[in-house]
This record gives sequence, C-alpha cells and structure tokens, in this order.
Amino acid sequence: GAVVSQHPSWVICKSGTSVKIECRSLDFQATTMFWYRQFPKQSLMLMATSNEGSKATYEQGVEKDKFLINHASLTLSTLTVTSAHPEDSSFYICSARDPPSLSYNEQFFGPGTRLTVL
Amino acid sequence: DAKTTQPTSMDCAEGRAANLPCNHSTISGNEYVYWYRQIHSQGPQYIIHGLKNNETNEMASLIITEDRKSSTLILPHATLRDTAVYYCIVRVRIDFGNEKLTFGTGTRLTIIP
Repeated sequence: GAVVSQHPSWVICKSGTSVKIECRSLDFQATTMFWYRQFPKQSLMLMATSNEGSKATYEQGVEKDKFLINHASLTLSTLTVTSAHPEDSSFYICSARDPPSLSYNEQFFGPGTRLTVL
Repeated sequence: DAKTTQPTSMDCAEGRAANLPCNHSTISGNEYVYWYRQIHSQGPQYIIHGLKNNETNEMASLIITEDRKSSTLILPHATLRDTAVYYCIVRVRIDFGNEKLTFGTGTRLTIIP
C-alpha cells in the first residue's frame, strides 16, 4: 500500500530557530500533500495544502511567512517553522493524496513529527 | 461539508464488537461518510467509507441508516490495539480538486482487557 514518511519523528529546538520537517511519499507520486497540526488532546487542524510546483494554499489564520511549505517534487514536501516559539510546539502531520489507481482511500497520513520549542 | 456528532468516549471489552455511532443529520446526497482512526502519537489511518450502502472490509463494517442521517462503525472483535480516537467525517468525494478532510473531536475508544 501507499506509504508516507516524515522526518524527523521528533525534534527539540531553541526559541527563535527554524525547523524543517520533511514529508515523503515512498511508493507513489503525490501531486497534493496536506499539512496538519495537532495540539495535545485536540483534533487535527489543517494548516495548508501543498501542490507540486506551485504555491501552497494556507487555511485561514495560518501565517504563510511563518510556516513555509515547499513541494518541489512529486514525492517530497517540506514544512519549515521559522523563528519557532514555545507556542509552536505541537504534533505536525502530513498526508498525501493517493494515486488514482488506489482512490478508495484518498489520503495517506505520515506518522507525525513532534516539535518541542524550548 | 456536513457536521458530525460523535460521543466523546466509549469503552468496549476485548473480544466484543465495538459499535461507534455518528450523527450527520445535515448530510447532502453527494456526501460520503468516512472513518479514520488515530492511535496515540501516530498519524490517522483510513478505515472505511460509504455513500448509502453498508460496507465491509478487513478492518470494519459501516452501517448507514436508510435516511443517511447517522451511521455506525463496527469493529467485530475488538482487540487492545483498537484503542484509538475514531473520527467520522462527512464530505463530498472529489477525485481531483478540493480534497480537504475536516476532523472533528472524534470518539476515544478504549478496549478493556
């Protein structure tokens, strides 16, 4: 089946630094990837939709200059949290649109990246 | 996308069938019912989806009422590994275009030994 990976699985950084999270579709090409954020004991909230070769579409209230998304290839999307602060500490999850041949599922999710900003 | 209502939490004995309800009284005719689950500290996992007919796969069964205003996800023989938050999502199925999934609060299912 379609597999999505994320790297790193967890990261701790100092306040003010930038952190890059990678999302890869391992065995299929994903023209669209999605980035979610999940705070403790809360549900997933969509941050942005990432389209290969074009600018990401951000949800209302998500700062595009703070959360930089790059989808340079059909198998890789990156989320960079710039000038991270403790309130950015969260569980970041990506998902990828499945290929048309496996359209029963629609989205495959990565395992998530836990970001802790000190 | 239509809003869904799920119980906050449920318990189920190991080996028994777990029945998770979902209300979606404002569902439109072209909206599907999807179920995902999220085990602690992992990404969500697709379970099943349906439009109006009951569906079954290797993981679960989905029962949709005739008026489509509610549905039930059934895990036939729950195991401890089924402990997770289960999300019921109702949305239009579009192969290309707006494919956003809107997650509600879900039901926290705990399987008891």
